Amino acid sequence: EAGVTQFPSHSVIEKGQTVTLRCDPISGHDNLYWYRRVMGKEIKFLLHFVKESKQDESGMPNNRFLAERTGGTYSTLKVQPAELEDSGVYFCASSHAGTYGYTFGSGTRLTVV
Amino acid sequence: QKEVEQNSGPLSVPEGAIASLNCTYSDRGSQSFFWYRQYSGKSPELIMSIYSNGDQEDGRFTAQLNKASQYVSLLIRDSQPSDSATYLCAPHGTGRRALTFGSGTRLQVQP
Repeated sequence: EAGVTQFPSHSVIEKGQTVTLRCDPISGHDNLYWYRRVMGKEIKFLLHFVKESKQDESGMPNNRFLAERTGGTYSTLKVQPAELEDSGVYFCASSHAGTYGYTFGSGTRLTVV
Repeated sequence: QKEVEQNSGPLSVPEGAIASLNCTYSDRGSQSFFWYRQYSGKSPELIMSIYSNGDQEDGRFTAQLNKASQYVSLLIRDSQPSDSATYLCAPHGTGRRALTFGSGTRLQVQP
């Protein structure tokens, strides 16, 4: 079984630019989560999809962040415009319906300069 | 008060010893608890889950849960240098379907 795939693995962009992160969950996993770890802080929840629907987006920091999940398959997280404080590692995770022991992707390290 | 509290460490133990990692949580309604291991520069990896009070054992790992005290722990027996990593506690609380992560305890196993 292929794992959770994220790309790019690294992204360096200038403040004010736009970046789109992609996550391909494990096939058949209805739940898809985005988390972020900022340097020195704990992993923070951003949002949760069940299939193509946003179940909980209470962790999204502001309206510069937009997440979508096309047809209940892969998901994208767009940051527009990026700010310095958006730097960190963005993790995607997925799980079967009704389970919470998720599988994480390898993450995207975003650096905004 | 943080939702999940863990001592950041580092917790240093000699090879072969028992490592004890502790976690407290604030949401009394939490029902499921997970331990993840994260090696430096890597993503978190699920190693244990526990749902009932008491102990749950898997190989060298034992998770312990005390819901009355809102306390969950992870014991690693016969610690190996390869166990050196950050261990994250993640309860599944009420009102949200996603896990909340603690900041993690860094474990160092000395050869």
